[in-house]
Amino acid sequence: GQQLNQSPQSMFIQEGEDVSMNCTSSSIFNTWLWYKQDPGEGPVLLIALYKAGELTSNGRLTAQFGITRKDSFLNISASIPSDVGIYFCAGQWVSNRDDKIIFGKGTRLHILP
Amino acid sequence: AAGVIQSPRHLIKEKRETATLKCYPIPRHDTVYWYQQGPGQDPQFLISFYEKMQSDKGSIPDRFSAQQFSDYHSELNMSSLELGDSALYFCASSATGTGDSPLHFGNGTRLTVT
Repeated sequence: GQQLNQSPQSMFIQEGEDVSMNCTSSSIFNTWLWYKQDPGEGPVLLIALYKAGELTSNGRLTAQFGITRKDSFLNISASIPSDVGIYFCAGQWVSNRDDKIIFGKGTRLHILP
Repeated sequence: AAGVIQSPRHLIKEKRETATLKCYPIPRHDTVYWYQQGPGQDPQFLISFYEKMQSDKGSIPDRFSAQQFSDYHSELNMSSLELGDSALYFCASSATGTGDSPLHFGNGTRLTVT
């Protein structure tokens, strides 16, 4: 079946560092989504990308929809303690009938004291 | 802005009991998705509904069933509960076919089976 490869699986960084994570797939998607999940909470949508090559920012977050439509990356600049959590990428295929979405396994971000 | 509402937030049941989880999608969203998330795992897709009809099915056990009602809210019914059913259950909603409607998740129901 379809799979998303999300990397890295986990990251340990110092506060103030920049972060980069990415997702790749063997399948084409027409939407890429990035979510952040805090413990015990639902995933919260950070950025949605709808066009190949699209580069979108949301504050310190920047994400890009790969030209091949098979990959996406998320960058976080100048990390702060509240950035800690699990980041999920998701590829979504939108049709008139339904939406199919596949999640990556997540990147766990830890900030060292 | 209105979000996806799930109830209850926490639920404790014993083995072999039944449970019903409810989901109220964002207004004007016609598609509902159910996900199960075990500790340290990514969300696993269970089932989805579009316009009150089942649209896709994932790894949902036969002991579980779900439906979407005329007001678009959805319920996940779980019977003969097992210890392994303990997990976070998320509902998400979207407006299918609009091309720019990503999934929005509720805060989940934490089910504990003892």
